[in-house]
Amino acid sequence: AQSVSQHNHHVILSEAASLELGCNYSYGGTVNLFWYVQYPGQHLQLLLKYFSGDPLVKGIKGFEAEFIKSKFSFNLRKPSVQWSDTAEYFCAVKTDSWGKLQFGAGTQVVVTP
Amino acid sequence: AAGVIQSPRHLIKEKRETATLKCYPIPRHDTVYWYQQGPGQDPQFLISFYEKMQSDKGSIPDRFSAQQFSDYHSELNMSSLELGDSALYFCASSLTGLRSYNEQFFGPGTRLTVL
Repeated sequence: AQSVSQHNHHVILSEAASLELGCNYSYGGTVNLFWYVQYPGQHLQLLLKYFSGDPLVKGIKGFEAEFIKSKFSFNLRKPSVQWSDTAEYFCAVKTDSWGKLQFGAGTQVVVTP
Repeated sequence: AAGVIQSPRHLIKEKRETATLKCYPIPRHDTVYWYQQGPGQDPQFLISFYEKMQSDKGSIPDRFSAQQFSDYHSELNMSSLELGDSALYFCASSLTGLRSYNEQFFGPGTRLTVL
């Protein structure tokens, strides 16, 4: 069965620290990859997406992610986090043309001032 | 810009009651997806519709049904509610779901509490 794994469930870091969240998926075919963010009490918002081309994608709010096909990974990074980045981050994979997303378990990120 | 609208935002029901959740997609979007997010869990795909026809089905209980209407809004009907149905129900919409590069835009969700 296809699955999406996020390695860290909770991450606590200080402002200006660098952030990297791991995401691995198990699917041998063509995938589309996404990172969504969910701020407290809010809905899911798209941070970035990968469909094809340059494996290093840049998203909103200074986030970027790198698709490494050989490792089935799509890790999210931000060089310097802010307190406002406190949120839950979900990696998601789309494997078929109908478009349903399969989400990872999410990583709760807390940025302390 | 218009976003996905869901109503109601909050709903409290008793066990064995029924509930109807509504989703209004972004104008011109033809595909609607429903997801269920239990407490502390990741969103799970329930069902989707493309051009008013069911396009895919996930882990949706038989007690639930859904449809997409001629104006593209969708309703999720839930019967014989159980405590375990308490969750945040997200609706997402996209344009021409058959094209893999179209992203899904999520609504604010309906928080259902079953007592």
